[in-house]
Amino acid sequence: EAQVTQNPRYLITVTGKKLTVTCSQNMNHEYMSWYRQDPGLGLRQIYYSMNVEVTDKGDVPEGYKVSRKEKRNFPLILESPSPNQTSLYFCASSTPGERGYTFGSGTRLTVV
Amino acid sequence: AQSVTQLDSHVSVSEGTPVLLRCNYSSSYSPSLFWYVQHPNKGLQLLLKYTSAATLVKGINGFEAEFKKSETSFHLTKPSAHMSDAAEYFCVVSGLVGGGNKLTFGTGTQLKVEL
Repeated sequence: EAQVTQNPRYLITVTGKKLTVTCSQNMNHEYMSWYRQDPGLGLRQIYYSMNVEVTDKGDVPEGYKVSRKEKRNFPLILESPSPNQTSLYFCASSTPGERGYTFGSGTRLTVV
Repeated sequence: AQSVTQLDSHVSVSEGTPVLLRCNYSSSYSPSLFWYVQHPNKGLQLLLKYTSAATLVKGINGFEAEFKKSETSFHLTKPSAHMSDAAEYFCVVSGLVGGGNKLTFGTGTQLKVEL
């Protein structure tokens, strides 16, 4: 089944403790992207990647890092999480011929 | 640059009555437009998409949307609401930005369906 898999689904952590949210897709898509969803703000793009080793900032990149060492994986790294990064995170993937994205099921992160 | 405005943050309808969720967009080129639905504590599900073919687009669960370039609108409609339609709906524009395929989301419309 074609899908985007995020892990974990839920995570509670403390301020300053480094964490990684993993994202993997099995569709051989070139494009991958991370979004955060906050009430009243919709989804905002954090980072995106056009292919292996090619990444760029989205609209709200501060406090986040990403890497794209393999085509299927696009982890989101929070080096020093803060409470304002408490949010629902979505990973998504796409291919140049398909303007839409396939979304993962989301990761609900709470930073206390 | 591209942007999306969802004109209503909350819409309430009675079961069996029509649904209208309004969306206006701004884009520098011919955009692709989407509607996604998110049920409580669930991920995002694609309802329908417009990609420069027919301007009236039919989606899943009886929803449809009409692309009107002159009005820069992409409103979502359904003839008869069902209780299971209660969810949050996002209008989304897609375009090539900075060499990448970027989605820009509206802020969402919460649909409430009452008996």
